[in-house]
Amino acid sequence: DTGVSQDPRHKITKRGQNVTFRCDPISEHNRLYWYRQTLGQGPEFLTYFQNEAQLEKSRLLSDRFSAERPKGSFSTLEIQRTEQGDSAMYLCASSLGTARYGYTFGSGTRLTVV
Amino acid sequence: AQKITQTQPGMFVQEKEAVTLDCTYDTSDQSYGLFWYKQPSSGEMIFLIYQGSYDEQNATEGRYSLNFQKARKSANLVISASQLGDSAMYFCAILPRGLGAQKLVFGQGTRLTINP
Repeated sequence: DTGVSQDPRHKITKRGQNVTFRCDPISEHNRLYWYRQTLGQGPEFLTYFQNEAQLEKSRLLSDRFSAERPKGSFSTLEIQRTEQGDSAMYLCASSLGTARYGYTFGSGTRLTVV
Repeated sequence: AQKITQTQPGMFVQEKEAVTLDCTYDTSDQSYGLFWYKQPSSGEMIFLIYQGSYDEQNATEGRYSLNFQKARKSANLVISASQLGDSAMYFCAILPRGLGAQKLVFGQGTRLTINP
């Protein structure tokens, strides 16, 4: 395992449908983060896990969004009743909690809601 | 709250020239880390360089160096001898190290284009 994996890479869905994304972090990393990035903007924090515990959620994360990290391994991000405004790149990152090396990011899942 | 400001939406540089990408930050924390990431068109965020707020020397990583001016709250990225493969979005980010503060906060980015 040499990096953070995200699946799928691209997702096109109709408005109102539910979607789920998966993130597999680097195996020894205990922290996992979800970010959202819209076109022309920097990534914005959504939520963060330490092991299996979800420790912080952004106000950006409406009730339609839910994230889990069962057993402290992979994580899923689900969006219910998708809206066109949900169209964005969803980035996952993991870290050991050592600030010096920041986070290791995955390649992201690009969501398009039509 | 933390904030990163990158005032250059786009930069155009000739190959082999050096380029400086600007970053200023705002934080009330005394201890923090500053990061630069590169994002090519593939979408992945690639870590480039780190500077701790208490590091006395400016960070360097190969062709990348960070011009850290703490009093001015600036952390500019310098890329020496630019290459065509350096064309990408570049993001500056801050990670406060206070209790409970765990998330990287990013600026809006600078799109760098290297011309042959």
